[in-house]
Amino acid sequence: LAKTTQPISMDSYEGQEVNITCSHNNIATNDYITWYQQFPSQGPRFIIQGYKTKVTNEVASLFIPADRKSSTLSLPRVSLSDTAVYYCLVGDSPGSSASKIIFGSGTRLSIRP
Amino acid sequence: DAGVIQSPRHEVTEMGQEVTLRCKPISGHNSLFWYRQTMMRGLELLIYFNNNVPIDDSGMPEDRFSAKMPNASFSTLKIQPSEPRDSAVYFCASSSLTAYQETQYFGPGTRLLVL
Repeated sequence: LAKTTQPISMDSYEGQEVNITCSHNNIATNDYITWYQQFPSQGPRFIIQGYKTKVTNEVASLFIPADRKSSTLSLPRVSLSDTAVYYCLVGDSPGSSASKIIFGSGTRLSIRP
Repeated sequence: DAGVIQSPRHEVTEMGQEVTLRCKPISGHNSLFWYRQTMMRGLELLIYFNNNVPIDDSGMPEDRFSAKMPNASFSTLKIQPSEPRDSAVYFCASSSLTAYQETQYFGPGTRLLVL
């Protein structure tokens, strides 16, 4: 199982770029890296997913170095509404009986005016 | 699409009572997951189904918990008898294995309080 390690909390200000790094030293060849966002009283929501190098969508960018032992979620120009808990997950398809999904403790991001 | 639907949204019960949580996954999704979230333990995967078959239930805490998926559009998580330590938010999520890599879609959760 690929365990992930993230900072417990981060603070930033509106308009800033926020980078949250996740360590996953035991990542396996078939594992993908997925980030979820969770607001209070809601279920987690998919943000972005990648395998290597860089992935970008309308919400965020995901940077994965060549060794894949870490990944960085980048949120450009954050706003107050980006205040949430962000989870990094590593794993292959849950359809495989050998895989297991571990959300970890996540990173609590607080954005200030 | 209405997304993943869970019911009830809130449940308050007394210790010893049976609790049944319900989930309707997104139509066309063939994987379904049950999670439990508490402040102390975070978000834990309890069980997941693929094509209505339980694949991994190693996260189910004990025999008091059981989950079923009688068809592709419905699943239940039952706790019998319930205990105060079962108080948590229970999430259901679904995903599609037809995608290159799965993305889970979570429901709004059921907030359970066992007195």
